[in-house]
Amino acid sequence: RKEVEQDPGPFNVPEGATVAFNCTYSNSASQSFFWYRQDCRKEPKLLMSVYSSGNEDGRFTAQLNRASQYISLLIRDSKLSDSATYLCVVNHNYGQNFVFGPGTRLSVLP
Amino acid sequence: DTEVTQTPKHLVMGMTNKKSLKCEQHMGHRAMYWYKQKAKKPPELMFVYSYEKLSINESVPSRFSPECPNSSLLNLHLHALQPEDSALYLCASSQSFRVAGTGELFFGEGSRLTVL
Repeated sequence: RKEVEQDPGPFNVPEGATVAFNCTYSNSASQSFFWYRQDCRKEPKLLMSVYSSGNEDGRFTAQLNRASQYISLLIRDSKLSDSATYLCVVNHNYGQNFVFGPGTRLSVLP
Repeated sequence: DTEVTQTPKHLVMGMTNKKSLKCEQHMGHRAMYWYKQKAKKPPELMFVYSYEKLSINESVPSRFSPECPNSSLLNLHLHALQPEDSALYLCASSQSFRVAGTGELFFGEGSRLTVL
């Protein structure tokens, strides 16, 4: 079993749709959680850190369920510019071992 | 604009060449990373430096040699590479884990390497 798993994708959705990404992690010692987005042939960029209480930034909402070792990202009212690969990233024990999920590709269609 | 700067952006080299990739950050981060990324795959950790000391080496072949001259700079020396080493090489930095709460990774734009 991979340490961090994500929906395989790709997700093709129309503009304005709501889309949800799921991520599970296997190491219960994981302490920090992030969503990154990566555009084609660009570097990953931080979208959101994920906090235990859940957090929201505009159209984006992240949730963490430590008991189920599950992280989610919800995008509301999706825009063409949201098209990218979304990477779930987990960090263990506040150390330097950031583990990346395989990513889920999103295409928002006009 | 990214606060982690990588040079060169593109590099083409032969299997007998020696070249170096360079990375610089001025955010005061004390952890710096090299990642390798192949097409349609997530970044794969190669090396981590913490407070200028190598703390993680993910069993990377010796043809890749990292160097951290100071807290702002990170180099990756390349020698006798193989065509399968062609990839995007990403540098990143973060607050050191010694700081309360872990910081996220900040990536440079990457150096796209082609080995002929």
